[in-house]
Amino acid sequence: DVVMTQTPVSLSVSLGGQTSISCRSSQSLVHSDGNTYLYWYLQKPGQSPQLLIYKVSNRFSGVPDRFSGSGSGTDFTLKISRVEPEDLGVYYCYQGTHYPNTFGAGTKLELK
Amino acid sequence: QVQLQQSGAELVKPGSSVKMSCKASGYTFTSYYIYWIKQRPGQGLEWIGRIGPGSGDTNYNEKFKGKATFTVDKSSSTAYMQLSSLTPEDTAVYYCARSLAYWGQGVMVTVSS
Repeated sequence: DVVMTQTPVSLSVSLGGQTSISCRSSQSLVHSDGNTYLYWYLQKPGQSPQLLIYKVSNRFSGVPDRFSGSGSGTDFTLKISRVEPEDLGVYYCYQGTHYPNTFGAGTKLELK
Repeated sequence: QVQLQQSGAELVKPGSSVKMSCKASGYTFTSYYIYWIKQRPGQGLEWIGRIGPGSGDTNYNEKFKGKATFTVDKSSSTAYMQLSSLTPEDTAVYYCARSLAYWGQGVMVTVSS
């Protein structure tokens, strides 16, 4: 199985600040169709995960432009700027290129 | 708007089975895969597999083969997942999601005698 390694495990940020989360995969996530199926999710306490970014860098409908995704191959980053209270929770990366699809272990974003 | 409404919480005994539902609305049910995801209490997310409601095509995580079975009822736009031979390790919240973009609210399954 493809292992998705997220760092750090937790982050403390100030409101209005900026931060980033890294996600590295044990294999390239470039699919034979040319797409890279790397997604980012936020799970707020007591809620279902919500999609933020799909295929590395595309913001899902309604996601503010404070969130941005980048990367290629095996190395990916989620950046969050101007952090707001509703951004707090656990962030997961996910790969949909290889079976079984796999998630990272999560990064908890907390207020400093 | 796209909505996935899942069935209610279940308390079941070890060795038994449970079948949960995921009713879709707001889109053409047969056009998108339904995914099933497991989340144990306080833990991360685990991909169980997916089913294509139009074709019936399925992909299972090897870890869940023999444990999970996916079905659909196109007439009611509902996907189902049955879990068999339940053990305490199956205690978790189970989510359905349309192409992992739209998620249901989750079903809490508790396996306890």
